[in-house]
Amino acid sequence: GEDVEQSLFLSVREGDSSVINCTYTDSSSTYLYWYKQEPGAGLQLLTYIFSNMDMKQDQRLTVLLNKKDKHLSLRIADTQTGDSAIYFCAEHHPDDKIIFGKGTRLHILP
Amino acid sequence: NAGVTQTPKFQVLKTGQSMTLQCAQDMNHEYMSWYRQDPGMGLRLIHYSVGAGITDQGEVPNGYNVSRSTTEDFPLRLLSAAPSQTSVYFCASSYQPTSGFNEQFFGPGTRLTVL
Repeated sequence: GEDVEQSLFLSVREGDSSVINCTYTDSSSTYLYWYKQEPGAGLQLLTYIFSNMDMKQDQRLTVLLNKKDKHLSLRIADTQTGDSAIYFCAEHHPDDKIIFGKGTRLHILP
Repeated sequence: NAGVTQTPKFQVLKTGQSMTLQCAQDMNHEYMSWYRQDPGMGLRLIHYSVGAGITDQGEVPNGYNVSRSTTEDFPLRLLSAAPSQTSVYFCASSYQPTSGFNEQFFGPGTRLTVL
């Protein structure tokens, strides 16, 4: 079947904004999630958006959802060294499968 | 609460051996799942369960069996290990199983090497 697509790497200067993009597969997905994985650890939920919303803002994080194109993005404002991690998008299918993308490794440049 | 626990943390197997990866949670979560994480492949869903007695296949179920006899435990069995099963395995659990918001809590992972 189709995969949830993300670019594998992103480098951003400290203080700039980071934008991580994701294309998901199922237009019936109810929720879209962003998870963060720090080195040697499991994943933790960062933020999420319900499928009937276009945008969600949570402090430095902004999630944009384009249902027509099945495109999801995560913007991190004022990127800090602590934001260095792998970011996964995930879609929640109607049959309760939760499918993850390959992850985007965010590298912060000084 | 201990959260989601996984044992063992590390395991080395020979091709053809069998073993069970253990996963337990003490949060009374209905939904549990197993993922494997491989470089460049991200997280892939192996099996999941929306409650005790119910299991279903994910994206990559071949070579793995699961059962869910209790709410707390969701073991993953490798019947005849193959080198292609070398990976890091994550178990996760969450409270809301059916189409509602589902924040998954992940265990620390089991790093499995098959020689």
